[in-house]
Amino acid sequence: DTGVSQNPRHKITKRGQNVTFRCDPISEHNRLYWYRQTLGQGPEFLTYFQNEAQLEKSRLLSDRFSAERPKGSFSTLEIQRTEQGDSAMYLCASSLEGRQFFGPGTRLTVL
Amino acid sequence: QKEVEQNSGPLSVPEGAIASLNCTYSDRGSQSFFWYRQYSGKSPELIMFIYSNGDKEDGRFTAQLNKASQYVSLLIRDSQPSDSATYLCAVTGGYNKLIFGAGTRLAVHP
Repeated sequence: DTGVSQNPRHKITKRGQNVTFRCDPISEHNRLYWYRQTLGQGPEFLTYFQNEAQLEKSRLLSDRFSAERPKGSFSTLEIQRTEQGDSAMYLCASSLEGRQFFGPGTRLTVL
Repeated sequence: QKEVEQNSGPLSVPEGAIASLNCTYSDRGSQSFFWYRQYSGKSPELIMFIYSNGDKEDGRFTAQLNKASQYVSLLIRDSQPSDSATYLCAVTGGYNKLIFGAGTRLAVHP
């Protein structure tokens, strides 16, 4: 399977804990995006990487959120001190020529 | 005003009919336009993209773009029950990030 992969697929955590998600993009894609989707809404942009450089962050990405893409390959999204409002589907997409392809997502539930 | 607006639906059509899904956007600078299909509990799947005014056809799908009216539509011909899903309209913002509407739920009944 050469599509975008994300791990874990599901994460249940208690409020206040830290969580980290991983995204492996399609290998030749140099652009990587993170989105968050809540029930009944479309995905909302969180952050964007071109190769290893993080070029844009949404105001949705508070200080508790950090993302990295070392060496321009896989990316991680960490949420510190999780809150119940962080419960959502976290989606990663990679892109080569303008078209974005999504991974299966990580569903986060904060208890 | 939301940046991308879609009727939430549900849009109910009989099997074999044409389903027409509409989307308006506010940023005249948007250059690229996309339709994604999302089944319940799954991630969005790209089904159509269009960059120029006019129609673009791919199989049973036709995307239509009118930049002057800031309007994008998706037609699905010969609708099948397997087309029942939420259809997300997206337009590009800075760095080609996607700005999504909330989606239109389509129900195709036999």
